[in-house]
Amino acid sequence: EIVMTQSPATLSVSPGERATLSCRASQSVTSNLAWYQHKPGQAPRLLIYGASTRATGIPARFSGSGSGTEFTLTISSLQSEDFAVYYCHQYNNWWTFGQGTKVEIK
Amino acid sequence: EVQLLESGGGLVQAGGSLRLSCAASGFTFSSYAMSWVRQAPGKGLEWVSSINYSGGSTYQADSVKGRFTISRDNSKNTLFLRMNSLRAEDTAIYYCAKCRGQSGWYFDYWGQGTLVTVSS
Repeated sequence: EIVMTQSPATLSVSPGERATLSCRASQSVTSNLAWYQHKPGQAPRLLIYGASTRATGIPARFSGSGSGTEFTLTISSLQSEDFAVYYCHQYNNWWTFGQGTKVEIK
Repeated sequence: EVQLLESGGGLVQAGGSLRLSCAASGFTFSSYAMSWVRQAPGKGLEWVSSINYSGGSTYQADSVKGRFTISRDNSKNTLFLRMNSLRAEDTAIYYCAKCRGQSGWYFDYWGQGTLVTVSS
């Protein structure tokens, strides 16, 4: 099983600041990596697939990068609605999720 | 608009069974693979099971293999998850998700989830 490790577990950021979230795979997942945003009581929302392609309707402030084993999700200027938990997800070999990064208001 | 509506969750005793359903609309259901993903209380997301567009291929996580069965009825645009021999650790919100992708399946739309509580 491919293990996905996200860091940090919690990220405290002020509105308007940049947030950088990391995800590492225990073996290469090529570019088969997605990012999701999840708020309590809501359905998870696809942000990025193919490591760097924004999903339909996702604002340009969200960007993804990386390939192989190291990936990054960047939120260029945090808005109030962006405070949530973010998960990376590999779909190269079966399906596994990272443990999540909570982005909270500083 | 894609909509996925789960139902069938509830409180069940350990060792019992439940069948979850996911009613899909807003897309051609029979053309897409589908999956179930769960979230235990205070935990992250865990993939449970997936099924291809026709129902001819299914995949299960080791944690549920032999106990859970995924299926679909393309004539009714509905996805199912039959859960047998339930354990306390199966307590979670269960989400259905529409799959997309060529080289692998990611999940582009999700339902709101249905809560399954297994009492020991």
